[in-house]
Amino acid sequence: EPEVTQTPSHQVTQMGQEVILRCVPISNHLYFYWYRQILGQKVEFLVSFYNNEISEKSEIFDDQFSVERPDGSNFTLKIRSTKLEDSAMYFCASSSLVAETQYFGPGTRLLVL
Amino acid sequence: QKEVEQDPGPLSVPEGAIVSLNCTYSNSAFQYFMWYRQYSRKGPELLMYTYSSGNKEDGRFTAQVDKSSKYISLFIRDSQPSDSATYLCAMSARGNTGNQFYFGTGTSLTVIP
Repeated sequence: EPEVTQTPSHQVTQMGQEVILRCVPISNHLYFYWYRQILGQKVEFLVSFYNNEISEKSEIFDDQFSVERPDGSNFTLKIRSTKLEDSAMYFCASSSLVAETQYFGPGTRLLVL
Repeated sequence: QKEVEQDPGPLSVPEGAIVSLNCTYSNSAFQYFMWYRQYSRKGPELLMYTYSSGNKEDGRFTAQVDKSSKYISLFIRDSQPSDSATYLCAMSARGNTGNQFYFGTGTSLTVIP
């Protein structure tokens, strides 16, 4: 069964450093998403992406965040100048149709020291 | 304001029990309702997906949506120790592209052998 994959599974970085989280969505899906989950809290929407453009973003997704689909398979989330409060689990998701359900990857656990 | 409320539990039941998990929401625009299962430090795994009101059954799982009451439920029959996980409800409104999912906080379930 096709699945969303994410790399790395864990990332430790120093405050102020840039990180890039990578995702390979399900191959025939057209919509891509990033969510985050701070330990013990809700899964929170960050951004959705379609046709090489951001289609929706939350208040969390400020100027330190960016997304990119650099080739036909990868979808990346870049966090510039990481902060301590960026420590969380970051989930990538993809879907094939508008408002159809989203399929989540296993997540990248980011720890900012 | 789009909000989803879910009792965080924890909920502990003996093996074989019927489990009832619930979420309420405030936004009448929500039309798509999902239940995800999340094991510790893993990504959400889709269990059930329902559009609009009504019931949907899949094996031991039944999802119910009551849009008039803004209330959704997930029932697990003949619960097994392997059902021990956190159960997340999620919902969304119809959008043009890449609509956001709104998650509940999750209910932690333990099924005791």
